[in-house]
Amino acid sequence: DAGVIQSPRHEVTEMGQEVTLRCKPISGHNSLFWYRQTMMRGLELLIYFNNNVPIDDSGMPEDRFSAKMPNASFSTLKIQPSEPRDSAVYFCASSFLEGQQPQHFGDGTRLSIL
Amino acid sequence: AQKITQTQPGMFVQEKEAVTLDCTYDTSDPSYGLFWYKQPSSGEMIFLIYQGSYDQQNATEGRYSLNFQKARKSANLVISASQLGDSAMYFCAMTLYSSASKIIFGSGTRLSIRP
Repeated sequence: DAGVIQSPRHEVTEMGQEVTLRCKPISGHNSLFWYRQTMMRGLELLIYFNNNVPIDDSGMPEDRFSAKMPNASFSTLKIQPSEPRDSAVYFCASSFLEGQQPQHFGDGTRLSIL
Repeated sequence: AQKITQTQPGMFVQEKEAVTLDCTYDTSDPSYGLFWYKQPSSGEMIFLIYQGSYDQQNATEGRYSLNFQKARKSANLVISASQLGDSAMYFCAMTLYSSASKIIFGSGTRLSIRP
C-alpha cells in the first residue's frame, strides 16, 4: 500500500514567492496533519483535519499560512508571501480518526526560502 | 495540560547492547495512546510501537518493547541488541481520546550506536 505522499520533496525559492506544498494521505485515513520541523523549535503541529474539516489551526504561525483539504485524498499547505524564517521541513501525516491510531508520515518537504 | 517529556537529549550506546529511552507523560485524560517514532538522518518519521492506556501488557514489536508504567506515567522504549542502523532521533508521543486524534510529541532523544 502506498504511504503518505508529499510533493515536492525539496523546494528552494526566493522570499516573497508563494509556496504550495501538497499531500496525499493514505487511502481510508480520515485525519490529516501538517507539521513543521526545525532545529530550534522541533516538531510543531500546524493544523489538522478530521473528515476534511479543519479542527485545530492554532499552530498556524501567521495569516501567511493557509491549508485546505478539498477532498479525502488531497491537502495543500500554502505560504504567501514566504519569508526566510519559514525554511523548515514540512511533514504531512494521516491516520484513522477512531481510537488512538498511529499517524503515518510522508517523507517531508524540505523548504528553503532565500 | 498534556505534556510529553524526554529528558535525554542524546545517548551513546555500544553496538549489541540494550538501550532504554526515557519518556514521561502528563495527562488527566483516562484514555490515551502512547507512541514511539524513529527519525533517521534521512529525515523520514517511522512509526515503531504503540501502547494503549488500557492495555494490560507491555507492547512489543521485534526488538522494540515499551515499558509502560501507568502509575509513574512513564512509557520508556527499550531496544534490545542495538544495531548501527538504530542510530537516529527517537520521539515519544501521546494522543488523547478526547482530542480526536491530535498527537503531542516530546522533544526527542538522539541515539548514537558505537561499533
